Amino acid sequence: KQEVTQIPAALSVPEGENLVLNCSFTDSAIYNLQWFRQDPGKGLTSLLLIQSSQREQTSGRLNASLDKSSGRSTLYIAASQPGDSATYLCAVRGNTPLVFGKGTRLSVIA
Amino acid sequence: SQTIHQWPATLVQPVGSPLSLECTVEGTSNPNLYWYRQAAGRGLQLLFYSVGIGQISSEVPQNLSASRPQDRQFILSSKKLLLSDSGFYLCAWSVRGVRDEAFFGQGTRLTVV
Repeated sequence: KQEVTQIPAALSVPEGENLVLNCSFTDSAIYNLQWFRQDPGKGLTSLLLIQSSQREQTSGRLNASLDKSSGRSTLYIAASQPGDSATYLCAVRGNTPLVFGKGTRLSVIA
Repeated sequence: SQTIHQWPATLVQPVGSPLSLECTVEGTSNPNLYWYRQAAGRGLQLLFYSVGIGQISSEVPQNLSASRPQDRQFILSSKKLLLSDSGFYLCAWSVRGVRDEAFFGQGTRLTVV
């Protein structure tokens, strides 16, 4: 059974810092990995999708990498801003629908 | 462009009452559809998914059920709610293919009292 773990559970950084969020999964037989953002009381917004054949994807200040063989992904956020404060969720898709980690709650302090 | 609608946004229901949450997708055809639940302090739990009309797969035994009466409509139901059914319910869709990216609705906050 696929299990997804996200570390740290919470993170507080000053504005302008670069930061890395970590995601690990137990079964490397995945089709893709998605990173989402969730604001309090809201649905999930898709940030980046990395297919199993890819190593990384970039969107603006966000860069996600995937090392399928080691079961790891990282989300890099450059020059963090207070508007980046949210919970970031990692999810993997294998033979079953998306399996989620519990997320990292990020606070960017102005 | 594709959009997903989920309603209601919030719901307070007494124990033992029925439930019906609806989700519709626009701008695409033959999507995969999903219901997830997010409980406080826990990750998102897959409840049901559907690859076509009338085709429902259940992931968690419970007193909830799902139906897909139309291609882009997905309904979550219960005949009698329990306190433990409280949570944040999210509908999602994806298009089958290599990419298979998932998109989520805005969710329904259900409180069973």
